[in-house]
Amino acid sequence: ENVLTQSPGTLSLSLGERAILSCRASQSVSPYYLAWYQQKPGQAPRLLIYATSTRATGIPDRFTGSGSGTDFTLTISRLEPEDFAVYYCQQYDGSLTFGGGTRVDIK
Amino acid sequence: QVQLKESGPGLVKPSQTLSLTCTVSGDSILSGGYYWSWIRHIPGKGPEWIGYIYYSAITRSATTHYNPSLKSRLTIAVDTSKNQFSVSLRSVTAADTAVYFCARDGDGGYVGRLDIWGQGTTVTVSS
Repeated sequence: ENVLTQSPGTLSLSLGERAILSCRASQSVSPYYLAWYQQKPGQAPRLLIYATSTRATGIPDRFTGSGSGTDFTLTISRLEPEDFAVYYCQQYDGSLTFGGGTRVDIK
Repeated sequence: QVQLKESGPGLVKPSQTLSLTCTVSGDSILSGGYYWSWIRHIPGKGPEWIGYIYYSAITRSATTHYNPSLKSRLTIAVDTSKNQFSVSLRSVTAADTAVYFCARDGDGGYVGRLDIWGQGTTVTVSS
């Protein structure tokens, strides 16, 4: 199983600041199969990024995905009020696995 | 637009079978090309992929792929006449208590691109 470890566990930032979220895989991940999701309380996860860096439909360009191999990053350039949520990375290598999440809190 | 909705009992007794159905609207499972998936989420942990069923419009047959850790207890099936797919998890324990989501995967050929989700349904395993 390809285990995904996300860091930090919690990120406390102010509106307008940049958030950098990390996802490290225990085995190399194909760039086509790395995705990021946002989840708010009581809601289903929402697809933000797929294929490492492609924004899903309707996702604003302040969200950027990057990385390769075992190290991937989600960057939110300027935090808006609606961005405070939990973020998960996910990979597919025949089976899907998710990371444990990073919570982005208002400082 | 495509919408998914989960339904099923919110309470299941230990050792019994958890059964949920996902109803798809706005698209036909018969059109093929998507991986119809189940995911569960225990609050405070990362989501856990349960498995998917893929329906081929060419062969008019379905194939399944399951999380290895659940495979021995799991069945995912499709009912194309009702445009639904379902999950059955046998011999449940308290560890199976979670919010269960159905989702669509595979748009554009990208597996792991879960772009449409149901609202989720909470299942509690308790006597």
